[in-house]
Amino acid sequence: GQQVMQIPQYQHVQEGEDFTTYCNSSTTLSNIQWYKQRPGGHPVFLIQLVKSGEVKKQKRLTFQFGEAKKNSSLHITATQTTDVGTYFCAGQNAGNMLTFGGGTRLMVKP
Amino acid sequence: SQTIHQWPATLVQPVGSPLSLECTVEGTSNPNLYWYRQAAGRGLQLLFYSVGIGQISSEVPQNLSASRPQDRQFILSSKKLLLSDSGFYLCACRGEYNSPLHFGNGTRLTVT
Repeated sequence: GQQVMQIPQYQHVQEGEDFTTYCNSSTTLSNIQWYKQRPGGHPVFLIQLVKSGEVKKQKRLTFQFGEAKKNSSLHITATQTTDVGTYFCAGQNAGNMLTFGGGTRLMVKP
Repeated sequence: SQTIHQWPATLVQPVGSPLSLECTVEGTSNPNLYWYRQAAGRGLQLLFYSVGIGQISSEVPQNLSASRPQDRQFILSSKKLLLSDSGFYLCACRGEYNSPLHFGNGTRLTVT
């Protein structure tokens, strides 16, 4: 079945440093979604990428979808303490099943 | 927009006791509904999903069951809880094809 791997599992950064999490699927995806889960909270949808090579930005967050539609990345520029949480990617295949990566837990030292 | 009601927020149950967690959805009809479990500090494990009333698919064999008696109601149950059933249970809803998941606030279950 479809597998979605996400690295790193954990990341500690100093406030102001950049952060990147990577997501790789074993199969070609129809789209990829990113979610953020704050400590103690539930996952919240951030963005969806559909097109090959697509790049989308939300303020300091940059999301990329690979040319082969099998990998994706989320990059945060100049992290802030409000960025703390776990970031999940979720890949959707042609059968409408959504498979989540294991998540990257981001910790930011003020 | 979709609203997901999930309760209770926290629950402490003894081993061997039954469980019933309820999730209801507003703002959409005929949604796809999901139950996920998250162990502390871990990822999201899909337990069950439903594409319609009475239609339940199970992703992993376990001590739990799910039912969908109404279009916007999804119930997670167990007859006898195990210690390993402890975790954060999340109900999620999805409307149209390719749309994102909306999660409820979750239930933190501790089995003692």
